[in-house]
Amino acid sequence: GQQVMQIPQYQHVQEGEDFTTYCNSSTTLSNIQWYKQRPGGHPVFLIQLVKSGEVKKQKRLTFQFGEAKKNSSLHITATQTTDVGTYFCAESIYNQGGKLIFGQGTELSVKP
Amino acid sequence: DTAVSQTPKYLVTQMGNDKSIKCEQNLGHDTMYWYKQDSKKFLKIMFSYNNKELIINETVPNRFSPKSPDKAHLNLHINSLELGDSAVYFCASSPTRTGELFFGEGSRLTVL
Repeated sequence: GQQVMQIPQYQHVQEGEDFTTYCNSSTTLSNIQWYKQRPGGHPVFLIQLVKSGEVKKQKRLTFQFGEAKKNSSLHITATQTTDVGTYFCAESIYNQGGKLIFGQGTELSVKP
Repeated sequence: DTAVSQTPKYLVTQMGNDKSIKCEQNLGHDTMYWYKQDSKKFLKIMFSYNNKELIINETVPNRFSPKSPDKAHLNLHINSLELGDSAVYFCASSPTRTGELFFGEGSRLTVL
């Protein structure tokens, strides 16, 4: 079944507002990856988190991995229209050939 | 040069037909995948090959048959197409079984 639950499913923000998407699991995650898919495009890798409590930043994007490794979040500060797209978290399951299981995704729309 | 390329990008066909999608990667990766993205944007893994060997075979109807002639190519053949097969099919490759995925641009299949 689904390993990771992602919320919210949709988020509409005004340009300049912040945005956060959350990924939650009932089991301990070995790692978490984040991808962005622009409308009509393909998923593009953003980052991988492995360590408990890890925080990584990419310009206006902040990625966190929970202390218990059961949740993760992606926060975007001061959204821009270029941030529009669907953001996916994904867990790599080592004991199943390393297959990547994706969350349902959060679709972000930004109103200028 | 496109790192992961898929052909065709669009495919419109009638129920009952057989069709193939081809994928090639020039990244030198050992692992390749097929993912299916439905109309709700849910990404579901179908197959994974590591150096031409099938390592992941999810619960996919046996009408779907992947083939990897070499580690740079992974093709997907679908027999007796059904309406529910309509989706975007993404090929992806990865340097390791648990590393980041590099996706192709997708092949949008529409079954009428």
